[in-house]
Amino acid sequence: EVQLVESGGGLVKPGGSLRLSCAASGFTFSNAWMRWVRQAPGKGLEWVGHIKSKTDGGTTDYAAPVKGRFTISRDDSKNTLYLQMNSLKTEDTAVYYCTTGGYGHWGQGTLVTVSS
Amino acid sequence: DIQMTQSPSSLSASVGDRVTITCRASQGISNYLAWFQQKPGKAPKSLIYAASSLQSGVPSKFSGSGSGTDFTLTISSLQPEDFATYYCQQYNSFPHTFGGGTKVEIK
Repeated sequence: EVQLVESGGGLVKPGGSLRLSCAASGFTFSNAWMRWVRQAPGKGLEWVGHIKSKTDGGTTDYAAPVKGRFTISRDDSKNTLYLQMNSLKTEDTAVYYCTTGGYGHWGQGTLVTVSS
Repeated sequence: DIQMTQSPSSLSASVGDRVTITCRASQGISNYLAWFQQKPGKAPKSLIYAASSLQSGVPSKFSGSGSGTDFTLTISSLQPEDFATYYCQQYNSFPHTFGGGTKVEIK
């Protein structure tokens, strides 16, 4: 059974940093493209970015609002996906979900609140 | 970026009703269109990919159609567990944009 478990969310001040993790199991993580999607409170879904598998180059792509501030990485030895978030803004407040490449499987999400 | 426009933004329906939600892309996306269901406080659940292919385990009362710019999600006979918010998403090009959602409520 595919499982994705996010962690690392919490309250952070504007300008601060936070690193989210997504622990994966039940599939061959190293072969998978992985993505992050977020949802601000009471709002719709927003694609954040993705990382390809290393065999496909391991490259990343980001949505414009987070480009240059967020970095997606992966540790295939730990079956874990990361989202490093720097220079956080109040508008980054959201539940952050990790998903598999085809969006067929989602984690439960982790809440990030950016507030002074 | 490709804009995805869903309509209606909300609807009220009764158990047993046939419900149709539409999604329009601002440019052609072939059949690179997915539908998701989300219930309050839960993660989205994938229903349909490639515009009309049902995800494993999803009941056949859900169906999708369309290609190019115009797509529909149909629920053939609405049941209590189907009251939720539904989102379309294009994955033809980055960023993979979502529609604004359609909230299906009980009449």
